[in-house]
Amino acid sequence: GAGVSQSPSNKVTEKGKDVELRCDPISGHTALYWYRQRLGQGLEFLIYFQGNSAPDKSGLPSDRFSAERTGESVSTLTIQRTQQEDSAVYLCANRPFAGGTDTQYFGPGTRLTVL
Amino acid sequence: GQNIDQPTEMTATEGAIVQINCTYQTSGFNGLFWYQQHAGEAPTFLSYNVLDGLEEKGRFSSFLSRSKGYSYLLLKELQMKDSASYLCAVRDGSGGYQKVTFGTGTKLQVIP
Repeated sequence: GAGVSQSPSNKVTEKGKDVELRCDPISGHTALYWYRQRLGQGLEFLIYFQGNSAPDKSGLPSDRFSAERTGESVSTLTIQRTQQEDSAVYLCANRPFAGGTDTQYFGPGTRLTVL
Repeated sequence: GQNIDQPTEMTATEGAIVQINCTYQTSGFNGLFWYQQHAGEAPTFLSYNVLDGLEEKGRFSSFLSRSKGYSYLLLKELQMKDSASYLCAVRDGSGGYQKVTFGTGTKLQVIP
């Protein structure tokens, strides 16, 4: 079946503008994660959704960042008043269940450039 | 919280064996993953360990010692295409969540 998709693949914006990034998960995969990866660095956890439970927002770097997910469907990550330091690849990952040996399946990412 | 450490860079020769180490500290350990990430691409799954011991999968093996908070990824018969970053990730199941935290990755360069 189809994998995780993200849109847009690339986004260039001006400092101070708001951006919205989209993740279309694999059907039936209950867990969804957002990560940020700056150039040459590792993955930085942002937020985690698990079904209808309250999301784990502990990784969001500031109140300019927010994310939504309705049930087990599409998720959007919104960055308000973007700053140059927000430039990074934003990766979305899915997992089928809450536990077990299942792995995360990553989308191709959205490369965000803030000028 | 979680603290994951792995070397930043490693270089190895084609055909050789390389071991990439990962140490971690977490309050509710619930599994350790290794991912491979080629430049400009998304990470792809390599291995998963939740019990102590060695998991072998072709040229790649992964080892876990929960008491030591230690894992390694072993790559045998290195090929040029193995040049990539290798990410260690730990899942913490405490608090009802399944948070997965990644290390900064080890950039492996395979040379002829």
